[in-house]
Amino acid sequence: QVQLQESGPGLVRPSGTLSLTCTVSSTSLNSGSYYYNWIRHHPRGGLEWLGYIYYTGDTVYNSKPSLQGRVTMSLDNSKNQFFLKLTSVTAADTAVYYCARDPYGGDSFFDSWGPGILVTVSS
Amino acid sequence: EVILTQSPGSLSLSPGDGAALSCRANETISRNRLAWYQHRPGQAPRLLIYGTSTRATGIPDRFRGSGSGTDFSLTISRLDPEDFAVYYCQQYGTSPRTFGLGTTVE
Repeated sequence: QVQLQESGPGLVRPSGTLSLTCTVSSTSLNSGSYYYNWIRHHPRGGLEWLGYIYYTGDTVYNSKPSLQGRVTMSLDNSKNQFFLKLTSVTAADTAVYYCARDPYGGDSFFDSWGPGILVTVSS
Repeated sequence: EVILTQSPGSLSLSPGDGAALSCRANETISRNRLAWYQHRPGQAPRLLIYGTSTRATGIPDRFRGSGSGTDFSLTISRLDPEDFAVYYCQQYGTSPRTFGLGTTVE
């Protein structure tokens, strides 16, 4: 059974860069069958899809104005890890960040999730 | 983007009760591409239903999804103690994929 696990700093300074890693177990990123996503859950708010990356390195990001130009995803197939960078963070980026797998074409549902990591933006 | 409104915000129930959760979209969800997730505190969200009514692997048949167009529902019969959680709907008919704010079953 696939497992995903987020890791990274729990505290980021305003205007800094949020950097997270998702480590995938029990399946290979470059099997080509899945798309790997980042999703966040704002405190007292909703879930927000940030984007996905495919094993080829192809990415699609949420084009929401508040995210545009700030999100970058990458991966390391040899380590079975993929990454999220979010630049110029503000308090509005405080959230629980999840990595999740999409089994169908990068535009479907999410069949496996990590447990999430709380990232707080604060000085 | 498609806005999903879930109701009620919370349900106060007891084990053995049934639960009816609603998810309403502000526009038609293409090809009924709607999923439901269960989220227990501190755990990874769990896929329950996709394609409006298809149960994910290992999901018991007391979870039933239905609906079409803009109105969808998740019904849980005979609540188990482990079913007390937050439930989210998600649409994947239109990009970007969006989620409802959740219904807490407590």
